[in-house]
Amino acid sequence: GQQLNQSPQSMFIQEGEDVSMNCTSSSIFNTWLWYKQDPGEGPVLLIALYKAGELTSNGRLTAQFGITRKDSFLNISASIPSDVGIYFCAGLPGGGSNYKLTFGKGTLLTVNP
Amino acid sequence: DSGVTQTPKHLITATGQRVTLRCSPRSGDLSVYWYQQSLDQGLQFLIQYYNGEERAKGNILERFSAQQFPDLHSELNLSSLELGDSALYFCASSVGAAMNTEAFFGQGTRLTVV
Repeated sequence: GQQLNQSPQSMFIQEGEDVSMNCTSSSIFNTWLWYKQDPGEGPVLLIALYKAGELTSNGRLTAQFGITRKDSFLNISASIPSDVGIYFCAGLPGGGSNYKLTFGKGTLLTVNP
Repeated sequence: DSGVTQTPKHLITATGQRVTLRCSPRSGDLSVYWYQQSLDQGLQFLIQYYNGEERAKGNILERFSAQQFPDLHSELNLSSLELGDSALYFCASSVGAAMNTEAFFGQGTRLTVV
């Protein structure tokens, strides 16, 4: 089945630093989504991307849908302590399989104040 | 608060037992999705119900089953539990039949099988 490779697995950064994480897929996706999961909570949608090459921002977060439709990245600028959590990429193949959201394994982000 | 309610939050049970996890979707949402989150497998899609009917199946074991009731709440039944079934089980809901940006996740049920 489809697999998403998300990297890095974990990051330890200082407050104020920028962060970058990415996802690559063995197959094409029509939608890329980025989620954040806090401890004891379910994933919360951060950014949705619908078109190859699309660059979308949400506050300090910026994500891009790769031109090949097989990758996406998420950048966080000027990190703050509340950015701590697990970030997941997820992809939707589209068409008749638009129910099957495939998730990456996540990037654990730790921000030192 | 996503509006999706899952109960219980925590469950500890013995191998061989059966448990039922419950999910109340957001008001107005017709689709319910169940996901399993474990350390080694990450978030895995199990099954989707739309307006009371099964719509899609993912990597759901035969020992697991689900249903969606007329009031649209859903239950995930896990039977003959094994140690490896220990995981977080999430429910998500959306208005339409497709899992897209409209889907919101509950807080999950943490199942521990001992």
